[in-house]
Amino acid sequence: EVQLVESGGGLVQPGRSLRLSCTASGFTFGDYAMSWFRQAPGKGLEWVGFIRIKTSGGTSEYAASVKGRFTISTDDSKSIVYLQMNSLKTEDTALYYCARGRISTSAKTFDPWGQGTLVTVSS
Amino acid sequence: DIQMTQSPSSLSASVGDRVTITCRASQSIGTYLNWYQQKPGKAPKLLIYTTSGLQSGVPSRFSGSGSGTDFTLTISSLQPEDFATYFCQQSYSTPLTFGGGTKVEIK
Repeated sequence: EVQLVESGGGLVQPGRSLRLSCTASGFTFGDYAMSWFRQAPGKGLEWVGFIRIKTSGGTSEYAASVKGRFTISTDDSKSIVYLQMNSLKTEDTALYYCARGRISTSAKTFDPWGQGTLVTVSS
Repeated sequence: DIQMTQSPSSLSASVGDRVTITCRASQSIGTYLNWYQQKPGKAPKLLIYTTSGLQSGVPSRFSGSGSGTDFTLTISSLQPEDFATYFCQQSYSTPLTFGGGTKVEIK
């Protein structure tokens, strides 16, 4: 069974950093693109960014709202995808989800998703 | 960026009803349109990919259609477990964008 478990969320002050982790199991991690999404309380879904598999360059893309502040990376040996978040803003407050590419060749359709980890940015 | 507009934003329906949700893209996206279901306190779940592909394990009462800029998600006979919020998402280009959601409530 494919499982994705996010961790690392919490309360952080504006301007500070936080690193989220998503530990995957049940599939060959390096064969799939991984993505992060977020959902502010009571709001809709927002794509944060994704990282391609190594054989497609291992490159990443980001939403304009986080580009230059957030970085996605992977540790294939541990089956973990990270979201490093720097210079956090109050508007980054949200439930953060990681998700796997639907199939090994997909970098823009994601399923399944983890259960999410809550990030609250507040002084 | 491609803007995705869903309608209605909410609807009330009864078990057994046929329900249709629409999604419009601000530019042509071919058939690169996905549908997700989200229940309260849960992660989104992919229902339909590339307009009409039924994700594994999803009941056949869910179907999708459309192309270009206009798309629909249809639930042929609404079941109690289908009361949820539904989101469309374009997978044509980055930034990936979602519709605002359609909340399906019990009538």
